[in-house]
Amino acid sequence: QLQLQESGPGLVKPSETLSLNCTVSGGSISDSSYYWGWIRQPPGKGLEWIGSMYYSGSTYYNPSLKSRVTISVDTSKNEFSLKLSSVTAADTAVYYCARGSGSYKYWGPGTLVTVSS
Amino acid sequence: DIQMTQSPSTLSASVGDRITITCRASQSVNNFLAWYQHKPGKAPNLLIYKASSLQTGVPSRFSGSGSGTEFTLTISSLQPDDSATYYCQQYNTYWTFGQGTKVEIK
Repeated sequence: QLQLQESGPGLVKPSETLSLNCTVSGGSISDSSYYWGWIRQPPGKGLEWIGSMYYSGSTYYNPSLKSRVTISVDTSKNEFSLKLSSVTAADTAVYYCARGSGSYKYWGPGTLVTVSS
Repeated sequence: DIQMTQSPSTLSASVGDRITITCRASQSVNNFLAWYQHKPGKAPNLLIYKASSLQTGVPSRFSGSGSGTEFTLTISSLQPDDSATYYCQQYNTYWTFGQGTKVEIK
């Protein structure tokens, strides 16, 4: 059974870079034909797609966040990561990593990241 | 960008009721439309993919229909465990979620 687990600091200062990792177990991050994505939910709001990476390495970003987002993969650790730069309080959210072939079947439990000084 | 609009935003119904949630896309997404159930403190759960395909393990009271720009999620007989927020998501051009529909049990 595929499992995903987000990890990273729970508190980030304004203007700094938010960095999260998603560790994959029960499967390989190099498995063909899958997308690996990041989705977030700010408190009291809905789900927002941040970006996705295809198994081939192609990346796709939400246009509203594109200038600040980088998604990358470390196949040796079987994990992929999210970096979001120049964060503000509006970036406070529960961040999820997920895998799917378009729709997302497998999700991590989510991790709360608070942006505050 | 493709915008996804769900209606209603909230829905209150009784156990056993049949309910329908609508999702409209600002342009055609073909049938690349998914529905998720999201409960507080948990990860979203995929219910329906490709507009009408039921994800393995999801109860048959859930069904999806539509294509192009208009889609529906139907729960044929509402159960107490169905209290949650439901999201549609298009994956025809990048990914976009609807704003969510909160389903409450009377």
